Amino acid sequence: GEDVEQSLFLSVREGDSSVINCTYTDSSSTYLYWYKQEPGAGLQLLTYIFSNMDMKQDQRLTVLLNKKDKHLSLRIADTQTGDSAIYFCAETYTDRGSTLGRLYFGRGTQLTVWP
Amino acid sequence: ETGVTQSPTHLIKTRGQQVTLRCSSQSGHNTVSWYQQALGQGPQFIFQYYREEENGRGNFPPRFSGLQFPNYSSELNVNALELDDSALYLCASRSDSGTDTDTQYFGPGTRLTVL
Repeated sequence: GEDVEQSLFLSVREGDSSVINCTYTDSSSTYLYWYKQEPGAGLQLLTYIFSNMDMKQDQRLTVLLNKKDKHLSLRIADTQTGDSAIYFCAETYTDRGSTLGRLYFGRGTQLTVWP
Repeated sequence: ETGVTQSPTHLIKTRGQQVTLRCSSQSGHNTVSWYQQALGQGPQFIFQYYREEENGRGNFPPRFSGLQFPNYSSELNVNALELDDSALYLCASRSDSGTDTDTQYFGPGTRLTVL
């Protein structure tokens, strides 16, 4: 559970949809998370998905999970300039079925939204 | 607003010095984790404390140590500072009861610069 990969940059126009992709390696991950980080700030939890789910929708956010391919995506509908930030995918490290709480993060995807 | 606070917000030290960073968790959150986020990278797990004992550690040397107190506050101590210790240090807390046990809430971080 130590290799979480994300593309580094994504640019979209305001009003379009954004799709941020992530691949992970630990098939025993219990939860997968999306965090948002604005410049100079900490991490804001956006949403998470339990590993036995395929999809989760929360207002403008849609998370899709493909466990077979270990692929996670975050779709932001009607992207706004305020959505410009770094988005991190993270998986929970599990050990013998118990969640230790350790999160493994990708390097983050810088989303830039143009007006 | 996650209810997790950190101090100080910024800190400048020189090589060889020691530093103490502080975190205050949400009431009832018995687990606190510390992460190091170097520039352009995702957060890396340093260690985790549960009810005042360390119960998980990442790939960091012993000069990184911590304490957790009964009042939901905690400390990260780093001895013999090196230039590569310059980073944003994040603490995250989570509850060990109820339905929210797998969600970690992050503080805003402390930006440490080592000269």
